[in-house]
Amino acid sequence: DAKTTQPPSMDCAEGRAANLPCNHSTISGNEYVYWYRQIHSQGPQYIIHGLKNNETNEMASLIITEDRKSSTLILPHATLRDTAVYYCIVRVRDGQNFVFGPGTRLSVLP
Amino acid sequence: GAVVSQHPSWVICKSGTSVKIECRSLDFQATTMFWYRQFPKQSLMLMATSNEGSKATYEQGVEKDKFLINHASLTLSTLTVTSAHPEDSSFYICSVGGLWETQYFGPGTRLLVL
Repeated sequence: DAKTTQPPSMDCAEGRAANLPCNHSTISGNEYVYWYRQIHSQGPQYIIHGLKNNETNEMASLIITEDRKSSTLILPHATLRDTAVYYCIVRVRDGQNFVFGPGTRLSVLP
Repeated sequence: GAVVSQHPSWVICKSGTSVKIECRSLDFQATTMFWYRQFPKQSLMLMATSNEGSKATYEQGVEKDKFLINHASLTLSTLTVTSAHPEDSSFYICSVGGLWETQYFGPGTRLLVL
């Protein structure tokens, strides 16, 4: 079973920041938070991951609360091409497969 | 990140035939590859873990004799759906482990069994 809880859907206006929340209240000390997204009819795309510090890359920022029980993925300037299902996954770094939950369906609106 | 390709991208076949799907890691030598299946409006479900040079490990409920996996080299794993039936119609996706234990996914293969 997935160890994360995400809202099933969210809307965001084009050009605005999209903030996608994820709850992982049972996360263990050695588990990382990974974010992937899946655009319709494509394979999942890696976005970002982190352990406890906030992380930023060219795609997004990841904010992890101090107690690590929740996190937020931030797309700073959402575009229509960011419309996708976003998956938050927790897993130990040297673990095997990823367990996908239902994710959040983000719709970026013009 | 690793570049992963799948072939074919989509396939239509008659019930009872076998279909082979290839997964290639183009720039990364993968001792382990993963095969997932995704039904419409559902999330990805792991089917099996493909290990180079040894037998694949199947998830509970996945028939190993129906979904044959061969991982003959560090860059190629194949999934053969034997005696396919309409209920096997799905989106099949492979993945390869990358740096920092991320995984990189292929573009997927859509299978339609008539």
